[in-house]
Amino acid sequence: GQNIDQPTEMTATEGAIVQINCTYQTSGFNGLFWYQQHAGEAPTFLSYNVLDGLEEKGRFSSFLSRSKGYSYLLLKELQMKDSASYLCAVRDTDSGYSTLTFGKGTMLLVSP
Amino acid sequence: DSGVTQTPKHLITATGQRVTLRCSPRSGDLSVYWYQQSLDQGLQFLIQYYNGEERAKGNILERFSAQQFPDLHSELNLSSLELGDSALYFCASSAPGQGSYEQYFGPGTRLTVT
Repeated sequence: GQNIDQPTEMTATEGAIVQINCTYQTSGFNGLFWYQQHAGEAPTFLSYNVLDGLEEKGRFSSFLSRSKGYSYLLLKELQMKDSASYLCAVRDTDSGYSTLTFGKGTMLLVSP
Repeated sequence: DSGVTQTPKHLITATGQRVTLRCSPRSGDLSVYWYQQSLDQGLQFLIQYYNGEERAKGNILERFSAQQFPDLHSELNLSSLELGDSALYFCASSAPGQGSYEQYFGPGTRLTVT
């Protein structure tokens, strides 16, 4: 089975930096994804990590440590439009096929 | 726009009824995934199809079934509906292979069971 934990809610101020953590326990790990989801809308892909280290993409960066079962999403220069839920998802190949298991999401509220 | 389409956008029905949700994947994607998202459970994987064949099953109830047709569109059938089935149902698609092929999500179908 899999277990993915992330904080339920976070708040931050416009222009600031926020780090959203995700810890996971899984066998057959084959990659970690971060998605952004605005209320009532579809999740949209933000980042993918399969090897240890930092992946940077514009204002967003994602880090992975496989030995620690840990990832974080770093959002810089926060904007009001970044208020959304951020979903951590682990890809598992234990069954022989790739499926994604999602955490329950971290609701980020950015205030002026 | 992810390129994944879902119909209908909203669906309101009564307990005990049966509904069909439809999904068309992005052009070229062979895999289709179905997810259920409710407020308390988060995004739950239901089932995956790859090129017409069932590939993986998640937390899908026996009252639910799905299929993928030769043109690669997929349908999710929900029967004997209960109040607890009210949720957002998402379809996602991805390209073939095991690389960093992220899943692209459709806009979802909001199902309300009364």
